[in-house]
Amino acid sequence: GENVEQHPSTLSVQEGDSAVIKCTYSDSASNYFPWYKQELGKRPQLIIDIRSNVGEKKDQRIAVTLNKTAKHFSLHITETQPEDSAVYFCAASAGNDMRFGAGTRLTVKP
Amino acid sequence: SAVISQKPSRDICQRGTSLTIQCQVDSQVTMMFWYRQQPGQSLTLIATANQGSEATYESGFVIDKFPISRPNLTFSTLTVSNMSPEDSSIYLCSVEGFTASYGYTFGSGTRLTVV
Repeated sequence: GENVEQHPSTLSVQEGDSAVIKCTYSDSASNYFPWYKQELGKRPQLIIDIRSNVGEKKDQRIAVTLNKTAKHFSLHITETQPEDSAVYFCAASAGNDMRFGAGTRLTVKP
Repeated sequence: SAVISQKPSRDICQRGTSLTIQCQVDSQVTMMFWYRQQPGQSLTLIATANQGSEATYESGFVIDKFPISRPNLTFSTLTVSNMSPEDSSIYLCSVEGFTASYGYTFGSGTRLTVV
């Protein structure tokens, strides 16, 4: 089955700096890669996603890149703000189930 | 995206008892998914629930411990049976998205504490 690895487990940046979170996956059949943000005590919320036929996708300060050959994808957050502080999960799906990475706790210091 | 109502939001239960968690979706969905999130951990898929058939369980999860019902296309329940403190966790239901994004929408979760 699919195995998703995520790094780093914790990330601390200064407000205004960029943050990058990286994930790798094992199943070459995976074709959908969402990213979720989970604030303390709340449910995971989808923030951006990418399909395997696209190499990059951007939504305001958030972007995701995908390298199918290397089986890795990354989340990029630019101009970070304190409200970006949360746990971020990557995930990979080859069909009807979705496997999640271990999560990255991002802290943005004002 | 779908709106999911999950209840109870939290409960404290005695070991050896069972708790049933309910998930109601505002649209008809083919599949519903049940996840467990232990404190400070990631989301682990427990099972996939299709309407009209038995749920499909992931490795490490069995029907006797986590029976699931899916009586129609908008509703599902997960029961945590014969609970022990190790079952203390957050349980979340989810469904596939309906928009151009296929990302899952999650219920608000059930925070279970077993004492």
